[in-house]
Amino acid sequence: EPEVTQTPSHQVTQMGQEVILRCVPISNHLYFYWYRQILGQKVEFLVSFYNNEISEKSEIFDDQFSVERPDGSNFTLKIRSTKLEDSAMYFCASNREGADTQYFGPGTRLTVL
Amino acid sequence: QKEVEQNSGPLSVPEGAIASLNCTYSDRGSQSFFWYRQYSGKSPELIMFIYSNGDKEDGRFTAQLNKASQYVSLLIRDSQPSDSATYLCASRGSGTSYDKVIFGPGTSLSVIP
Repeated sequence: EPEVTQTPSHQVTQMGQEVILRCVPISNHLYFYWYRQILGQKVEFLVSFYNNEISEKSEIFDDQFSVERPDGSNFTLKIRSTKLEDSAMYFCASNREGADTQYFGPGTRLTVL
Repeated sequence: QKEVEQNSGPLSVPEGAIASLNCTYSDRGSQSFFWYRQYSGKSPELIMFIYSNGDKEDGRFTAQLNKASQYVSLLIRDSQPSDSATYLCASRGSGTSYDKVIFGPGTSLSVIP
C-alpha cells in the first residue's frame, strides 16, 4: 500500500541554522500538508499546498517557514533560522483530489539545541 | 479561532468493554470529521471519517456525528489492549479555510487486560 515517506527521521541542529525537512507524498495525491506536534501537545496545522502554491497557512507559518515542491515527487519544509521552540515532530500528509482523508508520514523529529 | 475540544483523559476501560470518546467543534460550517489513533512517538493513523449526521460503522468502530450539537463521538466495541493510544478528533475548516484541518488535543485511552 502506498505510503507517505519523510526524511530524515531525526534532525538535530543548532539554533539559527536552516533546516529542510523532506517528504514524498503518495504518488497520485495532489494536496500536501505540513503539521507539527510539540512534545505532549496537539497536532498543529502549518500549511497546505495545492497546484504549486500555498492554499492555506496558520499563524505559526511565519516568514521563517517556506514550502516547495522542487520536483514531481518531493515536498519540502524549510525553516530558515531555527529557534529552540521549533523543536517538535513535523508530519507531512497528503490526500488525493476529491477526497478529504489525509494520510500522514512517519514524521521527522527536529531537535534545536 | 476555530477549535476542536476533547477530554484529555486518561480514559480507562477493561478489555472487552466499549470505549466512548467525545469531541466538540466550534466551526459550525465544518462538514468533514476524522478520528485518528496515535501511538506514542508515532504519526496519526486514520481510523474513521464521517460527513453525515448519524452513525457510521467500520468493524469495531462507530463514529457518530450530530451537526446541530457540533458533536462527534467514537465508540470502540470489544476494546483490546492494542487499542491503548491517544485518539485525535479533527475537522476540516469551512469555506475558504477548507484546506485547514484542526486537531483536538486528543484523548488518551488505556485498555486494561
